Formats: sequence, structure tokens, C-alpha cells
Amino acid sequence: EAGVAQSPRYKIIEKRQSVAFWCNPISGHATLYWYQQILGQGPKLLIQFQNNGVVDDSQLPKDRFSAERLKGVDSTLKIQPAKLEDSAVYLCASSLVGQGRFEETQYFGPGTRLLVL
Amino acid sequence: GNSVTQMEGPVTLSEEAFLTINCTYTATGYPSLFWYVQYPGEGLQLLLKATKADDKGSNKGFEATYRKETTSFHLEKGSVQVSDSAVYFCALRYSSASKIIFGSGTRLSIRP
Repeated sequence: EAGVAQSPRYKIIEKRQSVAFWCNPISGHATLYWYQQILGQGPKLLIQFQNNGVVDDSQLPKDRFSAERLKGVDSTLKIQPAKLEDSAVYLCASSLVGQGRFEETQYFGPGTRLLVL
Repeated sequence: GNSVTQMEGPVTLSEEAFLTINCTYTATGYPSLFWYVQYPGEGLQLLLKATKADDKGSNKGFEATYRKETTSFHLEKGSVQVSDSAVYFCALRYSSASKIIFGSGTRLSIRP
């Protein structure tokens, strides 16, 4: 079974530029998560989708970050304009259903490492 | 609010040494508890989990027991190997529909 795919793996941009990350979850997984992992910290949830609807985006900086999950499969996360403090690893994860199944596991992709100069 | 605190690293041990990585949590109610591992260049992987008090999660020789009275979920392994070198994250979650709250991670390095 293929895992969660993310691209690009690395990205270097200058502040005020825009950037987009792509995630392809495990086939059949309804729930998709984007996490931000700043160096030396644990991952922090930015946004959670259930199919193509948003479940939780309470920690997404909506003035500069946006995300979509068209057709309930792939997802893109965009930052526009980027700030120095956005330098982090952006992790995508997926789970099968995400509703009422307490034992369910979230599977993580390898992440996209972003450096903002 | 809900949070997870784990011991700071890096932790450096010799091969075959005993490992303990401390983790305590602050939460209302009864969350599920997890240990995730991140090997160099790879994504986060679930190592083990426990869903209720006194449950013991185990995998690959690692163990952790859900202690409600001390709000702890310490990770242990009796004899570490070089291949265990990684970053370990303690985490909690209230339901499969909710986000995971992670600790800051502990980097473990094992010397041959």
C-alpha cells in the first residue's frame, strides 16, 4: 500500500513570495491533516479536512495560509506572502474515516521542508 | 489547555543500555496517548499507543503504560540498538476525529 505522498520535499523562497505544497493521501482515506513542525518543536495542526469539508482550521493563519481539498482526495496548502517565521516542515497526514473509530491511526507523509530567507 | 511535556534531549546512550523517555500530559477527560518516532529522513510513524488508564502499549521492544494517577506515559526499552536513533514524540488525542497534540520531541542517539 502506497503511503502519503508530498511534494516538493524541499523549498527555499524569499520572504513575501508565495509557495504551495501538495499532498496525496493514502487511497480511500477520508480525513486529511496538515501540520506545521517548527525546528525543535512538535507538529501543530493547521487544518483538518473530512472529505472536501473543513473540520478544524482554528490554528491556520488565514491572512496568509490557505488550503483546499478538491474532490476529497489531493490537497494543496499555500502560503502567500511568506514570512521568515514560516520556515518549518509541513507534514500531511491521512486517516481512513476519522469519525467514531477510536483506534484509527494517522499516517504521515515525509514532509516538505520550507526555508524562508 | 491540553498539552504534552516530554524530557528534553538529546539523549545519548550506549548500545544495549536501558532507555526511559519521560512524558507527562495535561488534559481534561481521558485522552488516548501515543508515542511517535521520526527516523532520519522519514515521516512520523506511530510506535505505540494506549487508549485507557493502565493500558500498556508495546512495539519493537518499546513499552509505555498509561498512568492516570501521575498523568504520565513514559517510554521504556530494555536494550537499545543503534537503529533506535531517532526523534521520539509523545502525543495525545481525544478521538479519532480530533487533532493530535504533540510534545516537543526527544532526540535519541545510540553509540555502538
